[in-house]
Amino acid sequence: KAGVTQTPRYLIKTRGQQVTLSCSPISGHRSVSWYQQTPGQGLQFLFEYFSETQRNKGNFPGRFSGRQFSNSRSEMNVSTLELGDSALYLCASSLRWGQQETQYFGPGTRLLVL
Amino acid sequence: KNEVEQSPQNLTAQEGEFITINCSYSVGISALHWLQQHPGGGIVSLFMLSSGKKKHGRLIATINIQEKHSSLHITASHPRDSAVYICAVDNYGQNFVFGPGTRLSVLP
Repeated sequence: KAGVTQTPRYLIKTRGQQVTLSCSPISGHRSVSWYQQTPGQGLQFLFEYFSETQRNKGNFPGRFSGRQFSNSRSEMNVSTLELGDSALYLCASSLRWGQQETQYFGPGTRLLVL
Repeated sequence: KNEVEQSPQNLTAQEGEFITINCSYSVGISALHWLQQHPGGGIVSLFMLSSGKKKHGRLIATINIQEKHSSLHITASHPRDSAVYICAVDNYGQNFVFGPGTRLSVLP
């Protein structure tokens, strides 16, 4: 079975721009979670989607948004990029929602904001 | 005080040594996860625990819910075990909180 895939793998943007990242979960997995990892803050939970609905959201500003499609693929969007948004963005999929499930992580998208 | 803490922050061991990484948390949890992150960023889920003990190969994870503490043990450590080990807790589906990670280097 193919693993979780994320595109693009690397991205460079400038302040004020917006960016969309994509995550394709393992076939059959219906939950997708997104995480941000920075050297200063470590790993932080962004949000979780299940059956096209956002189930949980972490403590991030409204500039961070996401959605999930009927095929369980998910996108996250960051608008009005700030330098501090430079990070590794990871998504993970699981069979069901809620983190009481083994999470399968993608390779991440490394975003650099200049 | 962070909700999830790990010790030690950094650990260097010789190949073959027995290694213990500790995780303590201050919130109520429904599950605790141990994750392994290799250079380059890829994360692998090692264990998910809600009670007791789990073993997979040379890795053992234990959790004590009353004491709000979990340990990850690596027996007969090998250089390929060199990675960052991260503890994460599920706060009853409301949030997923990560520890700061323990950087392990195993020398041949």
